[in-house]
Amino acid sequence: EAGVAQSPRYKIIEKRQSVAFWCNPISGHATLYWYQQILGQGPKLLIQFQNNGVVDDSQLPKDRFSAERLKGVDSTLKIQPAKLEDSAVYLCASTRRNYNEQFFGPGTRLTVL
Amino acid sequence: KNEVEQSPQNLTAQEGEFITINCSYSVGISALHWLQQHPGGGIVSLFMLSSGKKKHGRLIATINIQEKHSSLHITASHPRDSAVYICAVSTGGGADGLTFGKGTHLIIQP
Repeated sequence: EAGVAQSPRYKIIEKRQSVAFWCNPISGHATLYWYQQILGQGPKLLIQFQNNGVVDDSQLPKDRFSAERLKGVDSTLKIQPAKLEDSAVYLCASTRRNYNEQFFGPGTRLTVL
Repeated sequence: KNEVEQSPQNLTAQEGEFITINCSYSVGISALHWLQQHPGGGIVSLFMLSSGKKKHGRLIATINIQEKHSSLHITASHPRDSAVYICAVSTGGGADGLTFGKGTHLIIQP
């Protein structure tokens, strides 16, 4: 079974630029999560999707971050405009509906200069 | 909001030693997860438990629901066990986002 795929693996941008990350979850996994992991800290949930609907986006900075999951499969996370404090690893995870073990992708490391 | 605390933050031990990492949380949970993260790598789920004890190879995870506390043990530690070990909890039924601790950075020296 293929794992969770993410791209790009690394991204360097200037502050105020825009950036987008892509995630393809494990086939058949209805629930998808985006987490932000700042260096030295544990990951923090940004948004949770169930199929193509948003379940929880309470910690998503909506003035600059947006996410979508068209057709309930792939998902994209966008930051516009980026700030220095957005430098982090962005992790995507997926799980079967009503089954709590989460499977993580390799992450995208974002550096904002 | 659930607060997840881990201890120690950093741990260096010699190969073969018995390792214990602790995790405590503040409110009731549906499940507790132990995860492993290697430098530059992704996160791998080790255990998910809601009661009692689970064992996989040299790894053992226990949880005490009444005391809101869990431990991860590594027996006969090896340098390849060097990684960050993260405790995380989920509080709702079904799929929901995890609340993570800050992790324990473990180094096993040969």
